[in-house]
Amino acid sequence: AQSVSQHNHHVILSEAASLELGCNYSYGGTVNLFWYVQYPGQHLQLLLKYFSGDPLVKGIKGFEAEFIKSKFSFNLRKPSVQWSDTAEYFCAVNLGGGATNKLIFGTGTLLAVQP
Amino acid sequence: GAVVSQHPSWVICKSGTSVKIECRSLDFQATTMFWYRQFPKQSLMLMATSNEGSKATYEQGVEKDKFLINHASLTLSTLTVTSAHPEDSSFYICSARVGVDTQYFGPGTRLTVL
Repeated sequence: AQSVSQHNHHVILSEAASLELGCNYSYGGTVNLFWYVQYPGQHLQLLLKYFSGDPLVKGIKGFEAEFIKSKFSFNLRKPSVQWSDTAEYFCAVNLGGGATNKLIFGTGTLLAVQP
Repeated sequence: GAVVSQHPSWVICKSGTSVKIECRSLDFQATTMFWYRQFPKQSLMLMATSNEGSKATYEQGVEKDKFLINHASLTLSTLTVTSAHPEDSSFYICSARVGVDTQYFGPGTRLTVL
């Protein structure tokens, strides 16, 4: 069965530190990839997405992610985190071409940024 | 951006009763909406895909007679948890599809069954 793995369940960083959150998926076909963020008390918001083209995708708030097909990975990065980046981050995969476009989510990574 | 609302945000009910949760797309029409369930410290699990004007498509292991989904208009989908029991207590989240592959999520509804 298709699945999405996020290796880091809980990450604690100081402000200005660099961030990389891992995401791997298991599916051999075409995929669309997403990163969502959930700030405390708020709903899920889209950070960035990859459908095709340049494998380095830039999203909102200075985040970027790189799709490496050979590694089935879509890691999220930010060069310098801020306290306001404290949130839970979810990687998600959409099996491309499907009529329903349903998303399969990873288990999430809780990021705490210390001021 | 596209806004999705859910009502209620929190509901407490007695075991055996039914609860209806509404999901609305406020500034756009959505032919497809999705219902997810999120347990504490776990990820979102897709329960079903709701299509306007047709029957919902349920994921494996989700009881369609227990989780009734109705998508009667292009801006409203409802999830009814019938004969709720404590194990149904969870966070229920809906999303609405915009375009080909983007989903906008509602704020979620916390259901507590006593």
